[in-house]
Amino acid sequence: GAVVSQHPSRVICKSGTSVKIECRSLDFQATTMFWYRQFPKQSLMLMATSNEGSKATYEQGVEKDKFLINHASLTLSTLTVTSAHPEDSSFYICSAAKTGGLYEQYFGPGTRLTVT
Amino acid sequence: AQSVTQPDIHITVSEGASLELRCNYSYGATPYLFWYVQSPGQGLQLLLKYFSGDTLVQGIKGFEAEFKRSQSSFNLRKPSVHWSDAAEYFCAVGPYTGRRALTFGSGTRLQVQP
Repeated sequence: GAVVSQHPSRVICKSGTSVKIECRSLDFQATTMFWYRQFPKQSLMLMATSNEGSKATYEQGVEKDKFLINHASLTLSTLTVTSAHPEDSSFYICSAAKTGGLYEQYFGPGTRLTVT
Repeated sequence: AQSVTQPDIHITVSEGASLELRCNYSYGATPYLFWYVQSPGQGLQLLLKYFSGDTLVQGIKGFEAEFKRSQSSFNLRKPSVHWSDAAEYFCAVGPYTGRRALTFGSGTRLQVQP
């Protein structure tokens, strides 16, 4: 158990458009989900913490108006990159923490975003 | 603030040789420690974790790690490396009060020579 999916796995969009990435916990409920960004050959950097039914908490330096996060249910969080630019091209990974669980997170397979 | 250091950016070992990947952390209390592996273009797979108790933890794929509080280390080991172990390895610490997200080290890329 504890499977997290992401959709799409890969997306190419034009500069100025918006793209939505979904993160789903398939077999458990997740009150909290996390969005990370990973540049090539670099580590994962936390972008924001997504809490079901409330506003996301963004890390310093992350534009909340550009990276819109919605966590409308206990199994789904979405990240929308608005007015995407080439510098937003990256690998986006989500993780989910089980409701009532304490320390372990389960990671999705990631979404490769390329902005042309 | 907590932090994680992986001193080795890139390691190359021969298949069948032993492996040790280093991880040092900075944290004010007993940390929760994790090792993840990432294949190219893929997400992260949990290899093992340490929460408390026995300081030598066993993970999947024949990996183990030892928590050493005196050295603030959580090094990952494998006695005999297989070609399929070539990947990026991340050490992570967390969560702690007020922050449930993990803090990751910069990663170590493992190459395996035939």
